Amino acid sequence: GVTQSPTHLIKTRGQQVTLRCSSQSGHNTVSWYQQALGQGPQFIFQYYREEENGRGNFPPRFSGLQFPNDSSELNVNALELDDSALYLCASSIQGTLNSGYTFGSGTRLTVV
Amino acid sequence: RKEVEQDPGPFNVPEGATVAFNCTYSNSASQSFFWYRQDCRKEPKLLMSVYSSGNEDGRFTAQLNRASQYISLLIRDSKLSDSATYLCVVNTGNQFYFGTGTSLTVIP
Repeated sequence: GVTQSPTHLIKTRGQQVTLRCSSQSGHNTVSWYQQALGQGPQFIFQYYREEENGRGNFPPRFSGLQFPNDSSELNVNALELDDSALYLCASSIQGTLNSGYTFGSGTRLTVV
Repeated sequence: RKEVEQDPGPFNVPEGATVAFNCTYSNSASQSFFWYRQDCRKEPKLLMSVYSSGNEDGRFTAQLNRASQYISLLIRDSKLSDSATYLCVVNTGNQFYFGTGTSLTVIP
């Protein structure tokens, strides 16, 4: 399945954070979502074969990396209080979205 | 305009009741449709895909109306364990768009 680390994290405003995701083996696409309390998940970006190939309405201080070994990272610089949310990673095989996503259990980030 | 719109509820229904959730989407080019279930403080999990002909999985029935850009989920004989948030999800291009979710509480 999809695993994420850490499960919980507390950071101070202005700091930087790196969240990690291990995709399901054989999946070549990873997508990251932000879910604020009481909202549905919002698309941040997607990586395919280690390159970004889709981005939602998030500022450049949200960036990512995808590695050949089925792992990926979400980096957020200059943290703001509104960045507090559940961050979800989902992996898939490009072109097979008809079967839906499988999400990791998420990282809950609190910015104080 | 949001890509996907749902009535957030909450819906509070007695055990055994039938409850229906609705969802509309804005992009007529959307390709595939899903309902996800999310329990409190957990990740969303795929409940079922939604097909044009309508599909059923036990007590759950999903319908899609492409002409009206409308998706529905019907839950029959509600159980306490059905209490959760139900998310309408639409795939357009390479992206999944989520509704804000509809909260359901089944009461004994």
